[in-house]
Amino acid sequence: DTGVSQNPRHKITKRGQNVTFRCDPISEHNRLYWYRQTLGQGPEFLTYFQNEAQLEKSRLLSDRFSAERPKGSFSTLEIQRTEQGDSAMYLCASSQTGTDTQYFGPGTRLTVL
Amino acid sequence: GQQLNQSPQSMFIQEGEDVSMNCTSSSIFNTWLWYKQDPGEGPVLLIALYKAGELTSNGRLTAQFGITRKDSFLNISASIPSDVGIYFCAGQLSGQAGTALIFGKGTTLSVSS
Repeated sequence: DTGVSQNPRHKITKRGQNVTFRCDPISEHNRLYWYRQTLGQGPEFLTYFQNEAQLEKSRLLSDRFSAERPKGSFSTLEIQRTEQGDSAMYLCASSQTGTDTQYFGPGTRLTVL
Repeated sequence: GQQLNQSPQSMFIQEGEDVSMNCTSSSIFNTWLWYKQDPGEGPVLLIALYKAGELTSNGRLTAQFGITRKDSFLNISASIPSDVGIYFCAGQLSGQAGTALIFGKGTTLSVSS
């Protein structure tokens, strides 16, 4: 059984560009979470899906951020018109109904120049 | 965003020593989790606690869910060099709907041999 995977692992972009990250959850997990982590801090919640439905969004998720999970399997997180403050590690986690114990992927490190 | 109070912030110990770290919150949680994160990687689940008062071990690691449901501790016995990393506690109000994890700021552990 493979764990959560994320691609790309690293992304360097110029301010103003759009970027998209992908997360593939553990296969039988119906819940998928996105978090953002900056240096010296713990991860902070961004948004959550149950199957294909996006059920919760943090106030951290500005209008420039959008997430999808079209078939209830993989998810994408897009950031439009990136800003230097978007530089962070973006983490994906998945879980299943019941214990809802979340398992994290390796993350995507975004650097905005 | 809301964060847990995790202490100590950092620890420098000799190989073979025991380690203790804890997390407190003003909020009640239904689940406490402990993760370890290596540089450039995602958090890896160490122990999940689901009941107040629960004491759970995973090898040299032992964690407890406080009876007030507002705190948890993690002990590592006989530390080894590969224990180096950042340890995060996370609280969760689990229920029928998925809920986000609330993280502490982490305890950075250094082990000298």
